[in-house]
Amino acid sequence: AQSVTQLGSHVSVSEGALVLLRCNYSSSVPPYLFWYVQYPNQGLQLLLKYTSAATLVKGINGFEAEFKKSETSFHLTKPSAHMSDAAEYFCAVSDGGSNYKLTFGKGTLLTVNP
Amino acid sequence: NAGVTQTPKFRVLKTGQSMTLLCAQDMNHEYMYWYRQDPGMGLRLIHYSVGEGTTAKGEVPDGYNVSRLKKQNFLLGLESAAPSQTSVYFCASKLAGNLDEQYFGPGTRLTVT
Repeated sequence: AQSVTQLGSHVSVSEGALVLLRCNYSSSVPPYLFWYVQYPNQGLQLLLKYTSAATLVKGINGFEAEFKKSETSFHLTKPSAHMSDAAEYFCAVSDGGSNYKLTFGKGTLLTVNP
Repeated sequence: NAGVTQTPKFRVLKTGQSMTLLCAQDMNHEYMYWYRQDPGMGLRLIHYSVGEGTTAKGEVPDGYNVSRLKKQNFLLGLESAAPSQTSVYFCASKLAGNLDEQYFGPGTRLTVT
């Protein structure tokens, strides 16, 4: 069985500061990993995905994530936070099975202070 | 392309009433999923479909039924709504293959009183 743990249900940063959202996964097979963002009252939008091609993955809006197998982590970072980054962020893992089901973490709400 | 659309956007039900949520996608995706989102719980899979005419249970299927009569539509039914089913429901679809992500609809906010 696979699982995802997002450390910190709420992260608050100042505008211009580094954003670091943590995600650790558990999977018995090589995983496929995703970060989604949800703006208020909207659906989920893909930020980036790891599909084993490269360990450092660049996504939209200046976000990137690094897959570290030894640490079973896929943390999301952005060098400089912008007010528009305020949203909830979800990490998800797929075991690559034929049903392509995703297991989501509980989410991290990012607040950006002026 | 409209992508993934959900109908209705909001609904209030009384306990015991029934309703159907409609998910439609125009991307010719084989796979479709229904999730519920509750505060602090992330998204949990209710049911999913790997193709027209097929459905399967997810993590939290009790109290829900689904149908996939047409490839582009995936219906979620509540036969007898309960307050515990108050939630935001999201539909998603994807192509086959591990390189492609799930695409999400805008959600339906359901309140059961």
